[in-house]
Amino acid sequence: QKEVEQNSGPLSVPEGAIASLNCTYSDRVSQSFFWYRQYSGKSPELIMSIYSNGDKEDGRFTAQLNKASQYVSLLIRDSQPSDSATYLCAVNDNTDKLIFGTGTRLQVFP
Amino acid sequence: EAGVAQSPRYKIIEKRQSVAFWCNPISGHATLYWYQQILGQGPKLLIQFQNNGVVDDSQLPKDRFSAERLKGVDSTLKIQPAKLEDSAVYLCASTGGTRTVQETQYFGPGTRLLVL
Repeated sequence: QKEVEQNSGPLSVPEGAIASLNCTYSDRVSQSFFWYRQYSGKSPELIMSIYSNGDKEDGRFTAQLNKASQYVSLLIRDSQPSDSATYLCAVNDNTDKLIFGTGTRLQVFP
Repeated sequence: EAGVAQSPRYKIIEKRQSVAFWCNPISGHATLYWYQQILGQGPKLLIQFQNNGVVDDSQLPKDRFSAERLKGVDSTLKIQPAKLEDSAVYLCASTGGTRTVQETQYFGPGTRLLVL
C-alpha cells in the first residue's frame, strides 16, 4: 500500500514567521511531488511542484525534496493569516495518478 | 480559460437514495478524475478516465458507485444506493492527458454530499 504521511496539525505560527510543513512517502519510485493548499470548504489548489532533489523557490514558498530519505517539505516564509489553510502533499506513483496525504492544518495568528 | 465545473455544489439525501454528480473538465483536457474527500482526509481517487475510456477504477465501490464519460468530455458519477459513510466532498479534476508524471491536476469546486 503506497502511503503519503503528514502530521495533521494544527501547526500554529505567528505572523511573519517561517512555517515548515513535512511529508514522507513510501514508494521509492515516486517521481513527482506536489503541494496543494485547501481552504476550508474549497477545493485543492496547486501551489508548488518539485521533481528533482534539492530546493525550489517560488515567492514566499520553498519546496525541498530528498528522494534518498523519501521526504518532501514546504517552507512558507513571512507567513500571513491568509496562509491559514490545510496543506496537502501529493505524490505521483510513477504514472499520472496522485496519492494524497491527509494534510496539515496551518494556523497563522496575528 | 474556464475551470473545472461541477454541479450540484451541495446535496442532502437519505440513506438508500440515489444521487448523481456532474463534472465538465477544462476544455480540451483528455483526462478526468473523480475523487472522494472525507472530512479530515486527503482526496482519494475513485476513477480516472482518458477520453471516454476508464484507466483506473480500482478504488471505486462498484456495487454502488458508477461513472461514465460517454463523449469524452463531461462525466457523471452516481451513487445508488447511498450509505451514511458516503458523506464526503466529491471532487472532479482534469489534466491535458499527456499522462506524464509532471501533469498538474486542476480541481473543480466539489460537490458536498450529506447522507442522513
